[in-house]
Amino acid sequence: EVQLVESGGGLVQRGGSLRLSCAASKFTFSSHWMSWVRQAPGKGLEWVANIKLDGSEKYYADSVKGRFTISRDNAKSSLYLQINSLRAEDTAVYYCARQTEAFDIWGQGTMVTVSS
Amino acid sequence: SYDLTQPPSVSVSPGQTASITCSGDKLGDKHACWYQQKPGQSPVLVIYQDTKRPSGIPERFSGSNSGNTATLTISGTQAMDEADYYCQAWDSSTAYVFGTGTKVTVL
Repeated sequence: EVQLVESGGGLVQRGGSLRLSCAASKFTFSSHWMSWVRQAPGKGLEWVANIKLDGSEKYYADSVKGRFTISRDNAKSSLYLQINSLRAEDTAVYYCARQTEAFDIWGQGTMVTVSS
Repeated sequence: SYDLTQPPSVSVSPGQTASITCSGDKLGDKHACWYQQKPGQSPVLVIYQDTKRPSGIPERFSGSNSGNTATLTISGTQAMDEADYYCQAWDSSTAYVFGTGTKVTVL
């Protein structure tokens, strides 16, 4: 079964950092753009960032530009999100998602909680 | 920035048709897709490129997109269809945009 599994979330102080990971299985990871999408508690979905097949192009939402860095390791079929200078408003479930014509496969998400 | 607006809630009786709208400037010129999210679960793609259903999605889910409005229609709604639904499109100014979300209640 095609699968994405996120990890790395947790409780972090405001201003701190975390590195989220997403492990892909049962599909050719290197053939797909990949994205991170987040959802604050009780709120809607917000696209965060995406990365091209070979990592040569990366795009970010304005709300995270300069603080978040997306990367990938195709040899390990893994996607990453380095999140720095965390703010209270970054508290959310972070999903990785495979991109085709849409976000067609989603992971189960990993929770990031920013405390003051 | 580009915004997509949905009604906060839609109620439907079992077996009836539910229609969920998604409004955005010239949305018909873009491709719209729809996601279903049940409580505590990840989103699931139910419609992409305005009208296409991924494999495994029941035929009762259909989509359309014209003018400023995309619509997700659930025909013969079942209790299992109770969920939040989000539209999504891509815009050159804002990249990937999600709608505000609609909670569908099957009464």
